[in-house]
Amino acid sequence: DAKTTQPPSMDCAEGRAANLPCNHSTISGNEYVYWYRQIHSQGPQYIIHGLKNNETNEMASLIITEDRKSSTLILPHATLRDTAVYYCIVKHNAGNMLTFGGGTRLMVKP
Amino acid sequence: NAGVTQTPKFQVLKTGQSMTLQCAQDMNHEYMSWYRQDPGMGLRLIHYSVGAGITDQGEVPNGYNVSRSTTEDFPLRLLSAAPSQTSVYFCASSYAGGLSNEQFFGPGTRLTVL
Repeated sequence: DAKTTQPPSMDCAEGRAANLPCNHSTISGNEYVYWYRQIHSQGPQYIIHGLKNNETNEMASLIITEDRKSSTLILPHATLRDTAVYYCIVKHNAGNMLTFGGGTRLMVKP
Repeated sequence: NAGVTQTPKFQVLKTGQSMTLQCAQDMNHEYMSWYRQDPGMGLRLIHYSVGAGITDQGEVPNGYNVSRSTTEDFPLRLLSAAPSQTSVYFCASSYAGGLSNEQFFGPGTRLTVL
């Protein structure tokens, strides 16, 4: 599975959009981009995934560049409860192995 | 649905002791897996299973055994605990097919080996 690069930490003001970048320049054509988050001491939680089209659900939006070498997770109106470590993971859809990197620690501030 | 449950929540062992971490899911998921998370690090895959009777090794399998006799349960056994196995252990499950294999994680077991 392709390796990802994320900034180690970011801050965001409460109520503003949080834009979390991820670089995956070695992604192959059949690999998906997944985002999970881990709120302190809890198990990771699935947020969203996509292949090449932009995706949106009730939690977030995922924007994938046309060349698929990078993506951005957008939390449109961040709240204090969105403070967590966010993991960008690139993997084939088959199989259940997730390879976690260091993630981005998002701090939402009042 | 209870989702993915793990027991115990906390455990302290002495070096050389053995124990089993329990994991159960009630979603009829085919895939189950165990991860460990050391402080400040991401999760690393220990073992996984694609169905009852089938298991395979992940990234860090040494010192751990697993079995999958039922769809619901996937216990993780530490045969002879070592301080290096002090970690938080997460179990996860997911469907095998479909367009999404979103994984559902349990709350974790915090293990300390003295």
